[in-house]
Amino acid sequence: QLQLQESGPGLVQPSETLSLTCTVSGGSISSSSYYWGWVRQPPGKGLEWIGSIFYTGGTYYNPSLKSRVTISIDTSKNQVSLKLASVTAADTAIYYCARVFLWFAGADYWGQGTLVTVSS
Amino acid sequence: QSALTQPASVSGSPGQSITISCTGTSSDVGGYNYVSWYQQHPGKAPKLMIYDVTKRPSGVSNRFSGSKSGNTASLTISGLQAEDEADYYCSSHTSSSTWVFGGGTKLTVL
Repeated sequence: QLQLQESGPGLVQPSETLSLTCTVSGGSISSSSYYWGWVRQPPGKGLEWIGSIFYTGGTYYNPSLKSRVTISIDTSKNQVSLKLASVTAADTAIYYCARVFLWFAGADYWGQGTLVTVSS
Repeated sequence: QSALTQPASVSGSPGQSITISCTGTSSDVGGYNYVSWYQQHPGKAPKLMIYDVTKRPSGVSNRFSGSKSGNTASLTISGLQAEDEADYYCSSHTSSSTWVFGGGTKLTVL
């Protein structure tokens, strides 16, 4: 059974860089059939796609976040990483990683999510 | 990119059927058969209920079905049950090779 687990600091200072890692177990991240994506959800609000990456390193980003986001992949560790620069309180959210079908046709496996709070 | 449009809330009684709409444009919902739907219970991660507009993942009840007409996709839940009460989100591939979600719909089972 595939499992995804997000990890990283739960508190980030304003203007700093948010860094999260998604560790995939029970399957290989080096599949040509899927992307690996990050989705966030501010408290009490809806889902927002941040970006996705293919195992070759090709990336797709939400245009509204593109200037601040970097997603990378480490196939040797079966991990996907997210970096979001210059954070503000508006970036406070639960951050999920997910396995995404090609063409963004759906996301069938999700991590449990990790709450990141931006505050001094 | 603009979020897809969903009703904020819908409700129904046990045993009834409800439909949640998801309206986009010809650049997303209307242009591709890559619409998916998610169920999210409070404090839980989203769960994939429908992908490729009409397909159900293994393990999802056949009470859930998806369809699309023009720029609007729909999720229908038949034989409504108490455990169906949750938030529901649609999403779609876009012509810019991005992924966009709807604002979410809160389903209340009366």
